[in-house]
Amino acid sequence: GQNIDQPTEMTATEGAIVQINCTYQTSGFNGLFWYQQHAGEAPTFLSYNVLDGLEEKGRFSSFLSRSKGYSYLLLKELQMKDSASYLCAVMDSNYQLIWGAGTKLIIKP
Amino acid sequence: GAVVSQHPSRVICKSGTSVKIECRSLDFQATTMFWYRQFPKQSLMLMATSNEGSKATYEQGVEKDKFLINHASLTLSTLTVTSAHPEDSSFYICSARALRSGSQETQYFGPGTRLLVL
Repeated sequence: GQNIDQPTEMTATEGAIVQINCTYQTSGFNGLFWYQQHAGEAPTFLSYNVLDGLEEKGRFSSFLSRSKGYSYLLLKELQMKDSASYLCAVMDSNYQLIWGAGTKLIIKP
Repeated sequence: GAVVSQHPSRVICKSGTSVKIECRSLDFQATTMFWYRQFPKQSLMLMATSNEGSKATYEQGVEKDKFLINHASLTLSTLTVTSAHPEDSSFYICSARALRSGSQETQYFGPGTRLLVL
């Protein structure tokens, strides 16, 4: 079956760095997405990886290893507003999105 | 874990026809379902929120007469794109919110439906 795993909850300190991991097993692969979702709001697109390696975008970076079925989202210089759920989603060979359950990130002062 | 399904997964239709997309929560009851539209590499745009047994609440700029939503039961919501036009071609994603014990609500997303209007 198809499966996306990511931690349920993580806690980090303001100004620090946090890495949210995502592992996947899917039928085919057409890219991996990271979204940020604040409570009560629609998910916001953060990144898209289809090739191996690191994509950096400001304070956020996303890494992909297709051979390992693994990705991570790296958040630097954490701010209180980064408290949110982070969703990992993989697009399979049929261009269907397989969603992880999301990681709730709690930022403490 | 909770699963949300959508049917069909992809559909191609002629301009002017109507298309119905189903969203089902397979192993839980969803009091609220959401319909989103996604453009390539962009955020999910919330179109409407539907609660079982009541009328859907549409976001600003979304035509309720064009995008008909019916939340007939606690496990099924449908989105009908009426008189579809090529600009309606997109990826439509639904999500369902499960009411868990302790008032903790979790949102689960469907795999999406790819609509192409010719």
